[in-house]
Amino acid sequence: EPEVTQTPSHQVTQMGQEVILRCVPISNHLYFYWYRQILGQKVEFLVSFYNNEISEKSEIFDDQFSVERPDGSNFTLKIRSTKLEDSAMYFCASSETSGGANEQFFGPGTRLTVL
Amino acid sequence: LAKTTQPISMDSYEGQEVNITCSHNNIATNDYITWYQQFPSQGPRFIIQGYKTKVTNEVASLFIPADRKSSTLSLPRVSLSDTAVYYCLPWGTGRRALTFGSGTRLQVQP
Repeated sequence: EPEVTQTPSHQVTQMGQEVILRCVPISNHLYFYWYRQILGQKVEFLVSFYNNEISEKSEIFDDQFSVERPDGSNFTLKIRSTKLEDSAMYFCASSETSGGANEQFFGPGTRLTVL
Repeated sequence: LAKTTQPISMDSYEGQEVNITCSHNNIATNDYITWYQQFPSQGPRFIIQGYKTKVTNEVASLFIPADRKSSTLSLPRVSLSDTAVYYCLPWGTGRRALTFGSGTRLQVQP
């Protein structure tokens, strides 16, 4: 069964450093997403991406964040200058279409720890 | 966006049927009802989706009454591996973001 993969599984970084989280969505999917989950809290939407551009973003997704699809398979989330409060699980997801009778497939997540 | 309300937690025993009800009084006409499952330290996983009446797949059944103001996820004969958090989410055409609430934490005991 096809699945979304994410690397690394765990990233430890110092406050102020840049991190790039990587995702490989399911190959025939067209929509890509990033979510995060701070320990013990809800899963929060960050951004959606379609046709090589951001289609929707939340208030959390400020200028410190950016997304990119550098090639035909990878989808990345960059945090330019990490803060302590960026520590969370970051989940990538993908879907064939948007809305309606469809589903998003989530990856296993990257645990980001900012020290 | 329709607000959803679910029980915070539920307990069950192996082999029992579990029904988790979600209320969504102001669900939009175009919204589907979607349920996701999340195990600790894993990403959410789609379980089932429906618009009206009853939907069944190999994992669960979803019951949605005619007024669509609530929905019930039914898990037949749960096992220990069904211990997880279950989320009810309305999701409609054109909207991409999934908005997760706090979900229902199901604990299955032996």
